[in-house]
Amino acid sequence: NAGVTQTPKFQVLKTGQSMTLQCAQDMNHNSMYWYRQDPGMGLRLIYYSASEGTTDKGEVPNGYNVSRLNKREFSLRLESAAPSQTSVYFCASRAHNTGELFFGEGSRLTVL
Amino acid sequence: SQQGEEDPQALSIQEGENATMNCSYKTSINNLQWYRQNSGRGLVHLILIRSNEREKHSGRLRVTLDTSKKSSSLLITASRAADTASYFCATDDNAGNMLTFGGGTRLMVKP
Repeated sequence: NAGVTQTPKFQVLKTGQSMTLQCAQDMNHNSMYWYRQDPGMGLRLIYYSASEGTTDKGEVPNGYNVSRLNKREFSLRLESAAPSQTSVYFCASRAHNTGELFFGEGSRLTVL
Repeated sequence: SQQGEEDPQALSIQEGENATMNCSYKTSINNLQWYRQNSGRGLVHLILIRSNEREKHSGRLRVTLDTSKKSSSLLITASRAADTASYFCATDDNAGNMLTFGGGTRLMVKP
């Protein structure tokens, strides 16, 4: 049982390049989330998806797009990366009955 | 801005002592959760307390919630070196969908 799997684990981009972070969960959860965490800081919510087919903006959505491809997968896309998007990105899914979030191990992105 | 804010930002104690962390939030909530993060890893759920609960226990963890003051506290009793980590509170919106985190408390437990 893998839980929440994120790819890639590390990525270096140049300013203006695009990329997609992939996330998949195998726990049959309805809700999925994308957060970013800057050094020494808490997590800030970028986008979330309460159910398959729906997505909503979180606290810091600018510069990002998301796709809830199916119940398992929730991807995060940077169309034109900027140095301010250098961060660690965490994907999570949420258990409906307990409300608990299950996190992936993070994707470390550096934008030069 | 983040919904929850933890206090203190950093805490250093000796093994065996108790550690208390506080969380304040701004708007009404359905529930409040506490998470732990070891350096460089994803967060792990510790405990959830609902808005109609005042106190909850899980092993060496004790969580309190005061909705009138919009605050919560996490107490770790008889701390161990392995408790060294960052601790975050998280709250959801009234719809129960948007889960946001505070800035965290970095706990160091010295052996």
